[in-house]
Amino acid sequence: DGGITQSPKYLFRKEGQNVTLSCEQNLNHDAMYWYRQDPGQGLRLIYYSQIVNDFQKGDIAEGYSVSREKKESFPLTVTSAQKNPTAFYLCASMRSTEAFFGQGTRLTVV
Amino acid sequence: SQQGEEDPQALSIQEGENATMNCSYKTSINNLQWYRQNSGRGLVHLILIRSNEREKHSGRLRVTLDTSKKSSSLLITASRAADTASYFCATGASGGSYIPTFGRGTSLIVHP
Repeated sequence: DGGITQSPKYLFRKEGQNVTLSCEQNLNHDAMYWYRQDPGQGLRLIYYSQIVNDFQKGDIAEGYSVSREKKESFPLTVTSAQKNPTAFYLCASMRSTEAFFGQGTRLTVV
Repeated sequence: SQQGEEDPQALSIQEGENATMNCSYKTSINNLQWYRQNSGRGLVHLILIRSNEREKHSGRLRVTLDTSKKSSSLLITASRAADTASYFCATGASGGSYIPTFGRGTSLIVHP
């Protein structure tokens, strides 16, 4: 089955911890994106990568970091500098202008 | 960054009725897309309409685009309880890299 796989589905983070959200795709897409979704806020772009070894900041990149060492993988690290990380995180890849989304990771600070 | 805005924010209808939601955007686009999100899940692509198209159909979905008003509408005919979801429009500026930006969505509830 081709698609986008995000893991874990649920993640709990203690104050001051860094956590990494996984995003893997086997669709052979060059472009990948990370969005954050809060209730009533819609989707906001965190980071995107249009080719391996290159990525760009989105609208709300502060407190987050990414890497793109392989075409298939685009992990997102939520650092301790992100003061309000509790949210639903969505990863997507792009074919032409159509986005394919994973099922999301719900991150909660405890 | 450009963003589409959906209207209304919430819509509650009975099964069998039609549901109409609207999207407005700010700058020139190459295309506009509609996505659906079931609660707690990822978004799923529904339909794409290009800037040179005025109307497009897919099953029970009908999308219109008015580039002069920078607006689009999504009509779901003969709604079913299974249509209950949030619906988002996505746009990307014409020229340069395509980076989809999403509005806040319309939350549709279809009562059986």
